[in-house]
Amino acid sequence: EIVLTQSPATLSLSPGERATLSCRASQSVSSYLAWYQQKPGQAPRLLIYDASNRATGIPARFSGSGSGTDFTLTISSLEPEDFAVYYCQQRSNWPGTFGPGTKVDIK
Amino acid sequence: QVTLRESGPALVKPTQTLTLTCTFSGFSLSTSGMCVSWIRQPPGKALEWLALIDWDDDKYYSTSLKTRLTISKDTSKNQVVLTMTNMDPVDTATYYCARIQPSGWFDPWGQGTLVTVSS
Repeated sequence: EIVLTQSPATLSLSPGERATLSCRASQSVSSYLAWYQQKPGQAPRLLIYDASNRATGIPARFSGSGSGTDFTLTISSLEPEDFAVYYCQQRSNWPGTFGPGTKVDIK
Repeated sequence: QVTLRESGPALVKPTQTLTLTCTFSGFSLSTSGMCVSWIRQPPGKALEWLALIDWDDDKYYSTSLKTRLTISKDTSKNQVVLTMTNMDPVDTATYYCARIQPSGWFDPWGQGTLVTVSS
């Protein structure tokens, strides 16, 4: 089973700042990686798929990069609604596995 | 518009069998390439994939839970059913169903249903 590690566990930033989240896979997942956003009491929402493609309706301030084992989600300028938990997920090797999440909270 | 909604008991006792239903609209599970999956999330913890069923009635299960899970579909009712046997307090979680996009990713998700296992 492919294990995903996310860092940092918590990221404390202010609105307007840039957020950089990392996801590392225990073996190559090629570009088969997605990012999801989850707000308290809500279901996860797909943000980025295939490492770098924004899902429908996702603002341009969200971008993804990487391939193989190292991936990054960048939020260029944090809006108040972006404070949430972010999960990465791979589907290179079923069962698809999720990372433990990174919480982005308000500094 | 694609929507999914989970339903089932909020409370089950240890050793009981849990049955959850995912009712969806906006797509047909008889269409080639369509899949529906179940994922769970214990309170304050990460997401865990459980099972998947596709348009061709192929089924896939979490390796660690395979012996306890059964997934099925009723295409005429637009429903997918997940059963989990021998429930334990560690199975307390919010259970989500999600469509798997043609791109292969979970989108969208249902709102989730919290299941508590307690005597």
